[in-house]
Amino acid sequence: EAGVVQSPRYKIIEKKQPVAFWCNPISGHNTLYWYLQNLGQGPELLIRYENEEAVDDSQLPKDRFSAERLKGVDSTLKIQPAELGDSAVYLCASSQPGTGETDTQYFGPGTRLTVL
Amino acid sequence: KQEVTQIPAALSVPEGENLVLNCSFTDSAIYNLQWFRQDPGKGLTSLLLIQSSQREQTSGRLNASLDKSSGRSTLYIAASQPGDSATYLCAVNTGRRALTFGSGTRLQVQP
Repeated sequence: EAGVVQSPRYKIIEKKQPVAFWCNPISGHNTLYWYLQNLGQGPELLIRYENEEAVDDSQLPKDRFSAERLKGVDSTLKIQPAELGDSAVYLCASSQPGTGETDTQYFGPGTRLTVL
Repeated sequence: KQEVTQIPAALSVPEGENLVLNCSFTDSAIYNLQWFRQDPGKGLTSLLLIQSSQREQTSGRLNASLDKSSGRSTLYIAASQPGDSATYLCAVNTGRRALTFGSGTRLQVQP
């Protein structure tokens, strides 16, 4: 079974440029998450989708970040314009509907963004 | 707001040693707690998941315990090997179906 796929793996851009990240979750996983991981820190949630619906986007900086999950499968996270402080690893994860207590999230390899 | 703390931040041990990684959290109302492994430049791999009603989980040389009332979990690694070198992250699920992570413990096992 294929895992969570993310692309690109690495991206280098200049500040004020736009950038987009793509995620394909594990087949059958209805819940999709985008996390931000700064160097030396644990991941922090940006947004969570249940199918096509963004059910928790309270931590997403909406002035420059946007996300979509068309047809409840693949998802795209966009930053426009990028700032120096956006340099980090962007992780996508997915999970099956569960009881809550047994929810396990499966993570992709991440996209490492460097903003110059 | 849930906060998760991991101690130590880094650890270096000789091969074969048994070791303990610590995780503490501030809000005991959790659904589960997970331990993840992260290798450099890679995503996270789930090692163990402990449900809120459980006290411990074991997988091979790994044993994780949970004391929800005191807000603590430990990950015990027996007979450490160089291949265990990685960053270990603790995360709690507080029912929002998103995880709150600690900053991790960076483990180096010397051959």
